[in-house]
Amino acid sequence: GIQVEQSPPDLILQEGANSTLRCNFSDSVNNLQWFHQNPWGQLINLFYIPSGTKQNGRLSATTVATERYSLLYISSSQTTDSGVYFCAARRYNFNKFYFGSGTKLNVKP
Amino acid sequence: DTGVSQNPRHKITKRGQNVTFRCDPISEHNRLYWYRQTLGQGPEFLTYFQNEAQLEKSRLLSDRFSAERPKGSFSTLEIQRTEQGDSAMYLCASSRDSRRQYNEQFFGPGTRLTVL
Repeated sequence: GIQVEQSPPDLILQEGANSTLRCNFSDSVNNLQWFHQNPWGQLINLFYIPSGTKQNGRLSATTVATERYSLLYISSSQTTDSGVYFCAARRYNFNKFYFGSGTKLNVKP
Repeated sequence: DTGVSQNPRHKITKRGQNVTFRCDPISEHNRLYWYRQTLGQGPEFLTYFQNEAQLEKSRLLSDRFSAERPKGSFSTLEIQRTEQGDSAMYLCASSRDSRRQYNEQFFGPGTRLTVL
């Protein structure tokens, strides 16, 4: 399989601050997703981004496939951004997705 | 698009009992995945189906676990003779056929299992 590593494991921010979450993966992938897990355990899709850059409101993501990493940017953070952020990756022609261990974000008012 | 649904949302059982969970994927999604998530960890892959065929199973899926997807629609995950170590969140996800370029997974709300 592939190794998926996320950093930092924990992050505390003051409301309004910006942050960058990182996801490194050990092999070439053709599927990479970012999720936000809410306090009830639901995984919410943020980005499907095997390569390139996407933006959605205050969130944006960039995947540099050749260098095997992806970044999730959160700007002007809000308390509702709190939770755990996961990236998940899958290699081409393989079926299994591999998740990182997550970044736990706490945004304080 | 009604999303992926899972039932029950919570299940409390005694050690040794059998439990069954159900997942209804997004309609027309060919692929269906089961994951298990324990506290403080990311989801771990258990098994996946393409239509009704179970094409891959993780070594995490012991003989006490069985999954089915009759007619390629909903799926069930059964755990026999539950153990306390089975306590976890069980997540289901679905996606379109991976031969298409766009193959995004969508997750259900999960079933939280507690084995006493």
